[in-house]
Amino acid sequence: DIQMTQSPSTLSASVGDRVTITCRASQSFSFWLAWYQQKPGKAPKLLIYKASSLESGVPSRFSGSGSGTEFTLTISSLQPDDFATYYCQQYNSPPWTFGQGTKVEIK
Amino acid sequence: QVTLRESGPALVRPSQTLTLTCTFSGFSLSSTAMSVSWIRQPPGRALEWLARIDWDDDKYYITSLKTRLAISKDPSKNQVVLTMTNVDPVDTATYYCARKMGLGALDVWGQGTMVIVSS
Repeated sequence: DIQMTQSPSTLSASVGDRVTITCRASQSFSFWLAWYQQKPGKAPKLLIYKASSLESGVPSRFSGSGSGTEFTLTISSLQPDDFATYYCQQYNSPPWTFGQGTKVEIK
Repeated sequence: QVTLRESGPALVRPSQTLTLTCTFSGFSLSSTAMSVSWIRQPPGRALEWLARIDWDDDKYYITSLKTRLAISKDPSKNQVVLTMTNVDPVDTATYYCARKMGLGALDVWGQGTMVIVSS
């Protein structure tokens, strides 16, 4: 099974900051990697699929990159609505797996 | 509009079997490259993918639970059912179902249903 490791686990940032979250895979794969945003008490929301494709309706300040074993989610200018927990997920091969999450907090 | 809704018991006794139903609308699970997955999230913890059923009835499970899980679909009712045998308090979680279409990821999720395993 492919293990996904996110870093950092928690990130403190201010509105307007550029934020980067990293997801590392235990095995290399091409681009079947997604990023989700989750707010307390809510279902996750898809932000990025195929490592770098922006889901319809998601603001362009979110971007994804990477391949192989290292992937990143970048928020170019953090907005108040972006304080949440972010998860990566590989769907290269079943069983699919999620990272442990990165909580983005207000600094 | 695509929607999914999870339903099932809120409380289950240890060692019992848990049955969860995902009722969906706005898409057909008979369409090529369509699939529905179950994901769970224990309180305060990370998401955990559990199982997936594809349009052609292929099924996949998380390795650690594959002997306890079974996923099935009823296209006529637009439902996907997940059963988990021999539940334990560590199975206490919010259970979500979600759709995947084509080359995309889990693009539409249900609101989740909270299941507590306790005697």
